[in-house]
Amino acid sequence: GNSVTQMEGPVTLSEEAFLTINCTYTATGYPSLFWYVQYPGEGLQLLLKATKADDKGSNKGFEATYRKETTSFHLEKGSVQVSDSAVYFCALSDRGNTGKLIFGQGTTLQVKP
Amino acid sequence: DAGVIQSPRHEVTEMGQEVTLRCKPISGHDYLFWYRQTMMRGLELLIYFNNNVPIDDSGMPEDRFSAKMPNASFSTLKIQPSEPRDSAVYFCASRTRLAGGIDTQYFGPGTRLTVL
Repeated sequence: GNSVTQMEGPVTLSEEAFLTINCTYTATGYPSLFWYVQYPGEGLQLLLKATKADDKGSNKGFEATYRKETTSFHLEKGSVQVSDSAVYFCALSDRGNTGKLIFGQGTTLQVKP
Repeated sequence: DAGVIQSPRHEVTEMGQEVTLRCKPISGHDYLFWYRQTMMRGLELLIYFNNNVPIDDSGMPEDRFSAKMPNASFSTLKIQPSEPRDSAVYFCASRTRLAGGIDTQYFGPGTRLTVL
């Protein structure tokens, strides 16, 4: 079945460091891919998304490229801020009519000043 | 748009009591999802509805859990009787499928349930 695997956390970085959070997936067909972010005490918010191979999603300085050949959708940011501290979830949506999202386990990012 | 609305935001109850969580999806959205989040198990999909009809309830942990969607603007998740292991944050999310569009779920702020 479809699944998403994220790198283990927590990830601790200093402000202005480069961020990569790895995400790989297993799916049949051509899923849409998402990154959601959850700030402390809040619900999940869509950060970015991509619907087909080689698409790049971007938002708030974050980027992720849909790599079909490596079945990956790694999240990157060139210079993190303390305010980026949150839990990041990678997810996929199949193109069938199930309506479901399959989430990874989440990666906690802590950015220190 | 007010977004997905959940109530209450916090609920503390004693073991054995009935708990009802409420959700109002975004107007016009035809899919509604209930999730549970815990440190041990992460984010789990419990059940989801399409046009008020339950489509997949395979994530509902046991018969103590039930969910309803009597109309397009309201859903409930009920736990009866509640147990301490039900303590978690429960999220509701809604989504609409646009023709040729991208399926994006919008989450509510969650209900933090503590069962003593």
